[in-house]
Amino acid sequence: DAGVIQSPRHEVTEMGQEVTLRCKPISGHDYLFWYRQTMMRGLELLIYFNNNVPIDDSGMPEDRFSAKMPNASFSTLKIQPSEPRDSAVYFCASSFGGGSMGYTFGSGTRLTVV
Amino acid sequence: EDQVTQSPEALRLQEGESSSLNCSYTVSGLRGLFWYRQDPGKGPEFLFTLYSAGEEKEKERLKATLTKKESFLHITAPKPEDSATYLCAVWSGTASKLTFGTGTRLQVTL
Repeated sequence: DAGVIQSPRHEVTEMGQEVTLRCKPISGHDYLFWYRQTMMRGLELLIYFNNNVPIDDSGMPEDRFSAKMPNASFSTLKIQPSEPRDSAVYFCASSFGGGSMGYTFGSGTRLTVV
Repeated sequence: EDQVTQSPEALRLQEGESSSLNCSYTVSGLRGLFWYRQDPGKGPEFLFTLYSAGEEKEKERLKATLTKKESFLHITAPKPEDSATYLCAVWSGTASKLTFGTGTRLQVTL
């Protein structure tokens, strides 16, 4: 199994531009999570899905952020318009059975907004 | 709201110098406590899950323990390759999500 695959690994964009981050979870996993990691705040949960349905998006910072999971093998996190304070590492993780089994994380996307 | 606090923020050890990392938590109904290791430029990697007070898990030089208020990650005779950030996370209530601490950055020198 290739694990959780995220793309791109690095993204540099200008303020105001749209950014789309992509994630392919492990086949058979029914939960998908998007986290953001910064030095100041650590890992923060943005949103999670169960069987492709968004369950909790209370961590999404504002309306500029949106996430979709059109099928079991693909999810996107979109930021429009992007701002410098969105600069962080964004991780996607998947699991089978939610929290009980722990998560498998992808390698992350390092986003820099200039 | 679940709270997870890890200490120390950073720890520097010499090879072979054993120590412990702390993870204290405040949650409503702990269902599991997780330890992860994170190397620079990579995603967190799962180490252990602990489900109840008194439980212990071991893996090579690492041993995790759990009480009703905190968890410890004991590192026995560490090696330079144990250098990483160690994260703990809690799973509580009915939600299927983990709340993470900010981690302990461990550096092991020769």
